[in-house]
Amino acid sequence: RKEVEQDPGPFNVPEGATVAFNCTYSNSASQSFFWYRQDCRKEPKLLMSVYSSGNEDGRFTAQLNRASQYISLLIRDSKLSDSATYLCVVRSYGGSQGNLIFGKGTKLSVKP
Amino acid sequence: EAQVTQNPRYLITVTGKKLTVTCSQNMNHEYMSWYRQDPGLGLRQIYYSMNVEVTDKGDVPEGYKVSRKEKRNFPLILESPSPNQTSLYFCASSLDRAEVDNYGYTFGSGTRLTVV
Repeated sequence: RKEVEQDPGPFNVPEGATVAFNCTYSNSASQSFFWYRQDCRKEPKLLMSVYSSGNEDGRFTAQLNRASQYISLLIRDSKLSDSATYLCVVRSYGGSQGNLIFGKGTKLSVKP
Repeated sequence: EAQVTQNPRYLITVTGKKLTVTCSQNMNHEYMSWYRQDPGLGLRQIYYSMNVEVTDKGDVPEGYKVSRKEKRNFPLILESPSPNQTSLYFCASSLDRAEVDNYGYTFGSGTRLTVV
């Protein structure tokens, strides 16, 4: 089983739509969770950290379910500028001290 | 401006010709890391460093070397590049372990390497 798995996408949605991405992780010892955004041919950038109680940042809401080892990202009122690849990222302990494990990403395309 | 700077942005080289990709950060970060990104495989860690003179292997270290002689610089060295090292490379840094835990890494703009 891969360490971090995401919906493969692509997700093609109209402006204003609500879209949800899901992610599962295999290492139950994982402690930190993130969503990164990556524009085409650019570097990944932190979108938001994911906390156990769930957290919201404007139109973006992240949820974590430790029992199911499941992370989600909800984007409300999609904008054209939200078009990007969204990477689910997990920090696990016990292996490399400085490693983040990346999912392969889910591509989102928001259309007018 | 706080940033992670990689050079070069693009590089085409031939098999076996040693090359170095430089990485520098101006944020006094302790943690630095190199990742490669390949289609269908995502980002994978090559090497990381927790501080000056402290480096360790990541998940895919074969064919690469690194050094950390100064805090700000973390060069990636390919002694004898091969075509399977054609990839998009990212350098990343973070203040310390706690910041990695809470915010992950800040990435450089990437180096697209082609080995022919």
